[in-house]
Amino acid sequence: RKEVEQDPGPFNVPEGATVAFNCTYSNSASQSFFWYRQDCRKEPKLLMSVYSSGNEDGRFTAQLNRASQYISLLIRDSKLSDSATYLCVVNPASGTYKYIFGTGTRLKVLA
Amino acid sequence: GAGVSQSPSNKVTEKGKDVELRCDPISGHTALYWYRQSLGQGLEFLIYFQGNSAPDKSGLPSDRFSAERTGGSVSTLTIQRTQQEDSAVYLCASSNGLAGVREQFFGPGTRLTVL
Repeated sequence: RKEVEQDPGPFNVPEGATVAFNCTYSNSASQSFFWYRQDCRKEPKLLMSVYSSGNEDGRFTAQLNRASQYISLLIRDSKLSDSATYLCVVNPASGTYKYIFGTGTRLKVLA
Repeated sequence: GAGVSQSPSNKVTEKGKDVELRCDPISGHTALYWYRQSLGQGLEFLIYFQGNSAPDKSGLPSDRFSAERTGGSVSTLTIQRTQQEDSAVYLCASSNGLAGVREQFFGPGTRLTVL
């Protein structure tokens, strides 16, 4: 089993739609969780950290479910500019600087 | 301020040759990472440096790969006797602060093609 797993997609959604991605992780000791966005042929950039209580940033909401070992990203009112690959990132243990990246979920928002 | 820079941006080499990839992290960042991304794949962790601690080399795929970080700043990733399967984008990132809880800032990557 991979340490971090994501549905590769693509998710094709119309503008204005709500779309959600999940990411599962295998190490129950994992401490920190993030969503990064990567545009085609560009470097990844932090979208948002994922906090235990869940957090929201505009149209984006991130949730953590420790019992089931997954994190989620919800995008409301999708824009064409949201088209990208969304990478789930996990810090596997307290005190380590190592990060494990998922393979990413590709989103295409259609006009 | 300046972000993470990498050079060269593109490198084409012949199988069996050695290559060196360079990363200049954000000034003051204590942690530096190397990742590899093959076409359509996620980021594969290679190595990280944190301050003066011994680097975590657990992701290096073979002994042909090595990296060093001089003076806590610039890092060089060296691939000896390159193989075609080494073709990928090599990304460098830096971060600062508490272990595992800080944003990583990525450079634009070096696209390596081994013929």
